[in-house]
Amino acid sequence: DGGITQSPKYLFRKEGQNVTLSCEQNLNHDAMYWYRQDPGQGLRLIYYSQIVNDFQKGDIAEGYSVSREKKESFPLTVTSAQKNPTAFYLCASSRDRGNTEAFFGQGTRLTVV
Amino acid sequence: KQEVTQIPAALSVPEGENLVLNCSFTDSAIYNLQWFRQDPGKGLTSLLLIQSSQREQTSGRLNASLDKSSGRSTLYIAASQPGDSATYLCAVVGNYQLIWGAGTKLIIKP
Repeated sequence: DGGITQSPKYLFRKEGQNVTLSCEQNLNHDAMYWYRQDPGQGLRLIYYSQIVNDFQKGDIAEGYSVSREKKESFPLTVTSAQKNPTAFYLCASSRDRGNTEAFFGQGTRLTVV
Repeated sequence: KQEVTQIPAALSVPEGENLVLNCSFTDSAIYNLQWFRQDPGKGLTSLLLIQSSQREQTSGRLNASLDKSSGRSTLYIAASQPGDSATYLCAVVGNYQLIWGAGTKLIIKP
């Protein structure tokens, strides 16, 4: 079945560690996105990519990094510079970055321990 | 700067009632508007996409309307069921970016 797969579902990070969240899609979509969701707030855009080997910062990119080496994959690294990383992270894709429908993965819940 | 507001933040109604969820936005220059459903601890499921040239979209018991001039969209749910309990989010696409409301948490009481 076509869709977006995020892994792991739950992730625990120690202080000072970098962790990487996986996002894979088999929808043949060009555009991919990472969002952060905190309780009671709307989703906030971390990074987006319109095409392979290209990505742009969103509203809250500090402390995060991404890569887009393959069309299907858009991993997100939460670095030690991100001071408050505990949140629910959602990956999405759309056919292009225009007015096309966005599809989401099931999310990764990251907790700092 | 585009801002999206969803009111109320939470809503509880008895099973079987028809209900309306509201989404308002400040800039009418949008490409489309999407309604999503989110179950606790889960990702988002796309419910309806309304292009800027459209006035409404229907899927089963759901009907979404769009009035760009007034900056409003509504999601109408007919004959609500306990399985409809979830958080409903709207997002507008403008300048190639999704801008999100904070969501309405809906509880349908059996």
